[in-house]
Amino acid sequence: EDQVTQSPEALRLQEGESSSLNCSYTVSGLRGLFWYRQDPGKGPEFLFTLYSAGEEKEKERLKATLTKKESFLHITAPKPEDSATYLCAVGYQAGTALIFGKGTTLSVSS
Amino acid sequence: NAGVTQTPKFRVLKTGQSMTLLCAQDMNHEYMYWYRQDPGMGLRLIHYSVGEGTTAKGEVPDGYNVSRLKKQNFLLGLESAAPSQTSVYFCASSYVGLNTEAFFGQGTRLTVV
Repeated sequence: EDQVTQSPEALRLQEGESSSLNCSYTVSGLRGLFWYRQDPGKGPEFLFTLYSAGEEKEKERLKATLTKKESFLHITAPKPEDSATYLCAVGYQAGTALIFGKGTTLSVSS
Repeated sequence: NAGVTQTPKFRVLKTGQSMTLLCAQDMNHEYMYWYRQDPGMGLRLIHYSVGEGTTAKGEVPDGYNVSRLKKQNFLLGLESAAPSQTSVYFCASSYVGLNTEAFFGQGTRLTVV
């Protein structure tokens, strides 16, 4: 069964403490892997799209990487305003729409 | 630039009542989607549309109907609401489909009592 799994479910960091979030996928024929940020009470906000293994994208303190089986969202020196739920989604060849993981909730304390 | 706008933002229904959720996008996107988000379940696709006048079922379509009479609008209907339909509903749109990013609305929090 095609699926997307994110880990950990929750992550608590101190301000400045770098870490990584994982998104593993088992779909066939990946068309794109997407990272979103979701704040409480808001809709998901698009961050990155990755299309092929080895690709990397950066935005401020965030860096997304992609392999053939998983993607990582690296957070360097996080700040409290980075606290949110981060969602991973994939589009794949036989699919009809993006499939989402359940998300990782990140809390950064000062 | 409004992007994707959902109406209403909050609603409480009694079991058996009906309602329609409206989604409007101003980005001239072909694809539109309705998802529901429940604790521990993630985002699940209800219905989607690949263009004006088309609709198709997603992962959890039962109890919902949709219509896309105009390219910019995608309506989600609940004919007879059930407590199991208590959820947060998100509309999204994308220019193409599976290999372009989807943009989401702010969500509608629906409670069925």
